[in-house]
Amino acid sequence: DIQMTQSPSSLSASVGDRVTITCRASQSISSYLNWYQQKPGKAPEVLIYAASSLQSGVPSRFSGSGSGTDFTLTISSLQPEDFATYYCQQTYSALLTFGGGTKVEIK
Amino acid sequence: QVQLVESGGGVVQPGGSLRLSCAASGFTFSTYDMHWVRQAPGKGLEGVACIRSQGNIIYYADSVQGRFTISRDNSKKTLYLQMNSLRAEDMAVYYCAKEDKTHAFDVWGQGTMVTVSS
Repeated sequence: DIQMTQSPSSLSASVGDRVTITCRASQSISSYLNWYQQKPGKAPEVLIYAASSLQSGVPSRFSGSGSGTDFTLTISSLQPEDFATYYCQQTYSALLTFGGGTKVEIK
Repeated sequence: QVQLVESGGGVVQPGGSLRLSCAASGFTFSTYDMHWVRQAPGKGLEGVACIRSQGNIIYYADSVQGRFTISRDNSKKTLYLQMNSLRAEDMAVYYCAKEDKTHAFDVWGQGTMVTVSS
């Protein structure tokens, strides 16, 4: 199975900050990587697919980059509604596996 | 309106069984691969099972292999998860999710809670 490791597991940031979350795959997954946002009590929502493509309706302050084993999700200017938990997901192998999550909290 | 609605969750004793359903609407169900994803209380997301659009190819997480069965009825636009020999570690919110052609899960259900307790 392909293991996905996210870092950090949590971070504190202020509104307006630039935030970067990383995700590392245990083997090369090309660009088969998605990012999701999850708020408490809600289902996840996709932000980025294929490593760098912005899902329709998602604000442009979210961006993704990377290929192979190392990937990054960047929020260019953190907004109050962005405080949530973020997950990466590989779609290279049949059973799509998730990273452990990064909780973004208010500083 | 594109929607997935899960049902069937509840409280079950260890060793018991439960069948979850996921009713789809607003899209051509038979043309999309579907997934079950679970989230234990306070924990992250875990892919449980996947079934291809025609139901002919299925994958399971090692943690549920041999105990859970995913299936679908394309005529009823419904996805199922039969869960047998339930354990305490299976306790979680179970989501069904639609895999888009971009391979992202673009539609999720609201989730149904499965509690395993004596």
